Amino acid sequence: DAGVIQSPRHEVTEMGQEVTLRCKPISGHDYLFWYRQTMMRGLELLIYFNNNVPIDDSGMPEDRFSAKMPNASFSTLKIQPSEPRDSAVYFCASSLEGAQVRGYTFGSGTRLTVV
Amino acid sequence: DAKTTQPPSMDCAEGRAANLPCNHSTISGNEYVYWYRQIHSQGPQYIIHGLKNNETNEMASLIITEDRKSSTLILPHATLRDTAVYYCIVRVRSGLTGGGNKLTFGTGTQLKVEL
Repeated sequence: DAGVIQSPRHEVTEMGQEVTLRCKPISGHDYLFWYRQTMMRGLELLIYFNNNVPIDDSGMPEDRFSAKMPNASFSTLKIQPSEPRDSAVYFCASSLEGAQVRGYTFGSGTRLTVV
Repeated sequence: DAKTTQPPSMDCAEGRAANLPCNHSTISGNEYVYWYRQIHSQGPQYIIHGLKNNETNEMASLIITEDRKSSTLILPHATLRDTAVYYCIVRVRSGLTGGGNKLTFGTGTQLKVEL
């Protein structure tokens, strides 16, 4: 299994531009999570999906952020328009309900820099 | 989910056991203790979890006190590669009603393994 795959690994964009981060969860996992990590705020849960349905988006900072999961093998996190304060590492994770053996599996993250 | 308290940092000599403590005095009966770690620039990695019995796997051992108000993660023979931030998280096991399935990360313990 290739694990959770995120793309791109690094993204540098100008303020005001649209940014799309992508995630491919582990096949068969039914939960998908988006986290953001900064030095100031640590790891924050933004949103999570169960069976492709958004369950809790209370961590999404504002309307500029949106996330979708059109099918079980793909999810996107979009920021439009981007701002310098959005600079962070964004992690995607997936898990299988009831399968506690390995917990969550995280991707390698996307390091976003907004200039 | 119950709040956890961890020391901000610890040092350990390579080859020695690293004992990382965690206090979770408000833990509920249906809440598990999970441990994850994050090596620099990587996504968090699941280590181990338990309810009330001590647990051991290929990575570590988890010792939970009888009253479940605290626990200790033990890395029996720490190596330089174990240098990371270790997170102790308490949450309801997925699949139980009302608990959701999200992990909330605190600030963790920065473990530094030295020669």
